[in-house]
Formats: sequence, structure tokens, C-alpha cells
Amino acid sequence: GENVEQHPSTLSVQEGDSAVIKCTYSDSASNYFPWYKQELGKRPQLIIDIRSNVGEKKDQRIAVTLNKTAKHFSLHITETQPEDSAVYFCAASEGGFKTIFGAGTRLFVKA
Amino acid sequence: NAGVMQNPRHLVRRRGQEARLRCSPMKGHSHVYWYRQLPEEGLKFMVYLQKENIIDESGMPKERFSAEFPKEGPSILRIQQVVRGDSAAYFCASSPFTAGRETQYFGPGTRLLVL
Repeated sequence: GENVEQHPSTLSVQEGDSAVIKCTYSDSASNYFPWYKQELGKRPQLIIDIRSNVGEKKDQRIAVTLNKTAKHFSLHITETQPEDSAVYFCAASEGGFKTIFGAGTRLFVKA
Repeated sequence: NAGVMQNPRHLVRRRGQEARLRCSPMKGHSHVYWYRQLPEEGLKFMVYLQKENIIDESGMPKERFSAEFPKEGPSILRIQQVVRGDSAAYFCASSPFTAGRETQYFGPGTRLLVL
């Protein structure tokens, strides 16, 4: 079955710097890769997603890149702000079927 | 359009009791997913259901746990004879599951505490 590994587990950056979180997956059939942000005590919320027919996608300060050959994808947050502090999860699924999540990255943005 | 609803938001049970967690998907969504999250950990897939069908239950323990999504009404995750190790946040998510619309939207979760 699918296995998703996520690094780093904790990331601390200065406000205004960039943050990069990396994930690898094992199942070459996976074709949908969402990223979720979860604040303390809250529900996970989708922030960006990418499908396997695309190599990169951007939405304002957030971008995701996908390398299908190497089976890895990354989240890039530029100009980080204190409100970006949260836990970020990557995930992989085949067409929305069983979705496997990474273990999460706790991002701290220091003001 | 109301989001995914879960109730109760908090549930306290004593060891050996039953826990019933409910999830109402977003309007127009035909697929429901249940996840378990332990404190400081990630989301573990448990089960994926369509109306009246279990599609994939490979992440759900074989004993004491069951799930259903009836034709009418919410999806139910049932835990019989709860133990302390069942204490966790249980999230459900729903999706329309049409091509190009795989996104899962999460409910607020049910926090189960077993005493």
C-alpha cells in the first residue's frame, strides 16, 4: 500500500523567510496530492493541491511542486507570517480513494 | 451550504461502554472518510464509505470498530467496549468524488476521552 513520508517534523523560520516541506510517496498509481493546514484544536483545511498531470502550482504565497519520476512533492511558503504557524500535512491518493497522510510538519514562524 | 458536520464534538466514555460518532457530509457529497488522530500525531485512515457501501476499511481495527453510511442519515462510526487507547480525535471528511473533484473537506472532529 501507499506510504507517505514527510520532512522535517518541525520547522522554525523567521518572519519573512521561506519555508519548505518535503514529502515522498511510494505508490506510483497515486495521482492526487493535497496539502492541509491544521491549527491547534481545529480541523485540517486544504490549502493547495496538485494532480499528477501538473508539475507546479501556485496560489499567492504558497506553491507546490511535484516530481513524479522521483515520487516526491514539496510545499513552499514564501514571506512567512506568524499566522502561518500550524501543522502542515501532505497526502497522496489515487483519484480520491484511500488517502494516506504524512506525519505532519509543525511550522513555527517567529516574529 | 453547510460544511461537514460531526457530533458530538466531545464524548466521554468509561471503559467498556460504546461510543457512537456521527458525520453528516456536505450537501452533494456521496463519499465519507473517517480518520483517527492521536495527540501530536498525523491523520490515520480508518475507513472510506459510499452510501450503503464500505469501499475500503483496511485502516479500521477488525474488532470493536464498525462504520456505516445508510441511505438516509449520517455516517456512523461505532466503537464497542471502548478502551483507554481509543482516546483520540476522530475526524470525518467528505468529497463529491467526481473526476477532478477529489478534495476531501473535513468536519470539526469528535474528541473521544475514555476514562
